[in-house]
This record gives sequence, C-alpha cells and structure tokens, in this order.
Amino acid sequence: DTGVSQDPRHKITKRGQNVTFRCDPISEHNRLYWYRQTLGQGPEFLTYFQNEAQLEKSRLLSDRFSAERPKGSFSTLEIQRTEQGDSAMYLCASSHTRVWGGTTNEKLFFGSGTQLSVL
Amino acid sequence: DQQVKQNSPSLSVQEGRISILNCDYTNSMFDYFLWYKKYPAEGPTFLISISSIKDKNEDGRFTVFLNKSAKHLSLHIVPSQPGDSAVYFCASMEVNSGGSNYKLTFGKGTLLTVNP
Repeated sequence: DTGVSQDPRHKITKRGQNVTFRCDPISEHNRLYWYRQTLGQGPEFLTYFQNEAQLEKSRLLSDRFSAERPKGSFSTLEIQRTEQGDSAMYLCASSHTRVWGGTTNEKLFFGSGTQLSVL
Repeated sequence: DQQVKQNSPSLSVQEGRISILNCDYTNSMFDYFLWYKKYPAEGPTFLISISSIKDKNEDGRFTVFLNKSAKHLSLHIVPSQPGDSAVYFCASMEVNSGGSNYKLTFGKGTLLTVNP
C-alpha cells in the first residue's frame, strides 16, 4: 500500500442525483479526513474520523452529506440530491501521530481526490 | 474569515535562483505549520513542517522559517528547479482541547513557476 486511494477519480452527475465516493487510507493510519477544494481556494475541512468514530463535522457539511467509516478502515462520502454548488474536488487524507513536547502533531497524507461535476 | 493567508497568488523565478513563498496567519492557537505542494488533478503532497517551538526547519533544498511574533512563515526553495513548478499551500494546525492536533486550515495557495 503506497498511499491513500480514492475512487472514482472523476464523477459527472446531474443535479438532484446521489453520488458516493470511496476512500482507502494508508493501512496503519487510524485517522481519516475529508476535505473539499474549489477552484482558487485551499482545501477546506469537512469531517474527521478516528477509527470508526466520526468526531467532528464542519458547518460546510450540510444534511445532504453523510460520511461513514464502518470498520475503521475505508470511508465513504455520500452526497444526496446534488446541487451545482457541490461541484468541487473531494479530498481524503489519513494520518499517523507524532508527538511534539506532549501534544500530538499530525502529518496528513492526501489521496488524488474525486473531481465532482454537477450539471 | 481567512485565518491563513497567502497573499501572492503566483510567483515566477528563474531556475537555480531562490523561491520564497510567504504565509501569514491570524489564529494564535495554531502551533504546527505545514507546506504542501499540489500538481493539477492530484492531491496535495506533504513537503515540510515546523512546530511552534522552532523557528527554522530544513530538508534538502527546502527550508521553512517561522516568526511567531509576526505570525508569519515562509518557505525557501534553493536552488529552484523546473520540477518545483506547482501550487504551494501553507497549512496550520490548531491544538484542540484534548491537546491533539488534527484539523488543517489551508491558505489559498501560491502558484510557483520556475522557468528554465
């Protein structure tokens, strides 16, 4: 396993359809993150899992979005009733933990992303 | 509110010269800083990081400097190579109440072009 894997790489859908993306993290990483990136912006945090527990969701994650990580390994991100404003690159990342002076600092490894286009 | 700011959308340098990319942040709770490099249609790739207890970290051609009092960091690439041409993102990590950092806040990125 050489990195974070995301599928599909590209998804074109019509407005109102549901889409689901998959992320396979680096195998020994217990933390998994979803980010979204739109043109001209940096990646924005959406949600985060530690093992199978979803510990935080951004206010960017509306109720049409749901993420799961059922066995603490791969994760899925589903968008229901897609809107044109959902068009973006959806990035998954995973991390291990390094300790600096008693607190943990983490280096996130990103996948290649899923580019979503909603027509 | 943009907590991490990269005020230069683009930078062009000549091969062999130094590239300096700048980043400012506003959140005093940020204590770990990272630089990522991104090619088109790919995810960001980790480049180098620095903890707030240091003011410099070096890795080969890449050096990151942190000025906590000014809430400013910079990435120096020397010598610059054409393969360094990419978008560079500055990212900061905030300590949460449990003492564990986990969420990155990114700047908008700087497009670096290194000309042969």
